[in-house]
Amino acid sequence: GENVEQHPSTLSVQEGDSAVIKCTYSDSASNYFPWYKQELGKGPQLIIDIRSNVGEKKDQRIAVTLNKTAKHFSLHITETQPEDSAVYFCAAREGTGNQFYFGTGTSLTVIP
Amino acid sequence: EAGVAQSPRYKIIEKRQSVAFWCNPISGHATLYWYQQILGQGPKLLIQFQNNGVVDDSQLPKDRFSAERLKGVDSTLKIQPAKLEDSAVYLCASSLAGGGETQYFGPGTRLLVL
Repeated sequence: GENVEQHPSTLSVQEGDSAVIKCTYSDSASNYFPWYKQELGKGPQLIIDIRSNVGEKKDQRIAVTLNKTAKHFSLHITETQPEDSAVYFCAAREGTGNQFYFGTGTSLTVIP
Repeated sequence: EAGVAQSPRYKIIEKRQSVAFWCNPISGHATLYWYQQILGQGPKLLIQFQNNGVVDDSQLPKDRFSAERLKGVDSTLKIQPAKLEDSAVYLCASSLAGGGETQYFGPGTRLLVL
C-alpha cells in the first residue's frame, strides 16, 4: 500500500513569517492529495487539495505544490497568524483503490 | 448544513469490556469512513462504506472490531473485547461519493481503555 511521510513533526514560526510542510508518497499511481488542519479536540478539516494533473494550487494565504516526478507535495502558508496554530496532516489517495493514507502530522505554532 | 455527528465524545472503559460508537454523516453523503487516530499519528482507515455496502475493511481487526451501516445512513463501530492498545480517537468521515471526493470529518470519539 501507499506510504506517506511528513516533515517536520513540529514547526515554530513568528507571526507574519511563512511556514512550509513537506510530504512524500510512494505510490506513483496516487492521484489526489488533500491537506487537513486539526485543532485540539476537533476532527481534521480540509484546507486545500490538489489533483495529480495540477502542479500548484493557491487559496489566499495557503498554497500546495505537487511534484509527481519526485513524488512529493508541500503546503505553504504565508503571513502566518496565531490562529494558524494547529496540527496539519497531508494525505494521499492511492490510485488503485479509494483508501486515503495520512502523514504523521506537523504541529505548527505561530508565535505572536 | 449540519456536519458529521458522532457520539459519545468521550468514553472510558476497562479492558475486555465492549464499547460502541455512533456516527451520523452529512445528509446525502453515500460514503462513510471510520478512522482510528492514535495520539501523535495520522488517521488510519478502519472501514469504508458505500451506501450500506463495505468497500474496504482490510485494516479492520475483525476479531474484535465490527461495523455496520444499516439503511445506508447512520453507522456504528463496535469493539469487543477492548484492549489497552485500542485507546485512540475514532473519527467518522463522510463524502458524497468515494474516490477523490472531499471527506468531512466529525469531532471524533476519544476512547481510553484502562
